[in-house]
Amino acid sequence: NAGVTQTPKFRVLKTGQSMTLLCAQDMNHEYMYWYRQDPGMGLRLIHYSVGEGTTAKGEVPDGYNVSRLKKQNFLLGLESAAPSQTSVYFCASSASTNEKLFFGSGTQLSVL
Amino acid sequence: GQNIDQPTEMTATEGAIVQINCTYQTSGFNGLFWYQQHAGEAPTFLSYNVLDGLEEKGRFSSFLSRSKGYSYLLLKELQMKDSASYLCAVRGDAGNNRKLIWGLGTSLAVNP
Repeated sequence: NAGVTQTPKFRVLKTGQSMTLLCAQDMNHEYMYWYRQDPGMGLRLIHYSVGEGTTAKGEVPDGYNVSRLKKQNFLLGLESAAPSQTSVYFCASSASTNEKLFFGSGTQLSVL
Repeated sequence: GQNIDQPTEMTATEGAIVQINCTYQTSGFNGLFWYQQHAGEAPTFLSYNVLDGLEEKGRFSSFLSRSKGYSYLLLKELQMKDSASYLCAVRGDAGNNRKLIWGLGTSLAVNP
């Protein structure tokens, strides 16, 4: 099993550009999450999904959009990137709302 | 407010024992997680405590005291590969993962 796979691993954007981060999991998990991790801030939840076709806002949703058209995929979009969105992004999934999280390997995003 | 406190950095010697503390103040409690994160990699699950007491898993043990808002992760027979950041996370009063509160992590350096 691959677990949780994120693409791309690295990306550099110019301010105002858009991009989509793809997360795929092969564990048939219902719950999927997008986090960002910044020095001195810890992990912060951006958006999450409790099942196919559903999405909800987390702690820091502004500037991001998400979609969960298929159960195994959770996409994170940046419509107009800003330098404040420079961060490491992690996707995670869990079997249920109370189960442990499985994380993807992360995406290092730099916005210039 | 809600917060989690962990030491920022710790250093230990190969073969020794180290204890990483985590104290939390949250509006509710539905479990505490420990994750390990090597530099540039994803967090991986280590342990979960929801009841008071010690949970042992190989070289790693985790302890919880709900009345004191306190947990520790005990690493025995330290190995060089244990050099990593250790994240404490508490699930708050909603009883689901979207309410996970993350500590900033403790960076452990294991020296030969």
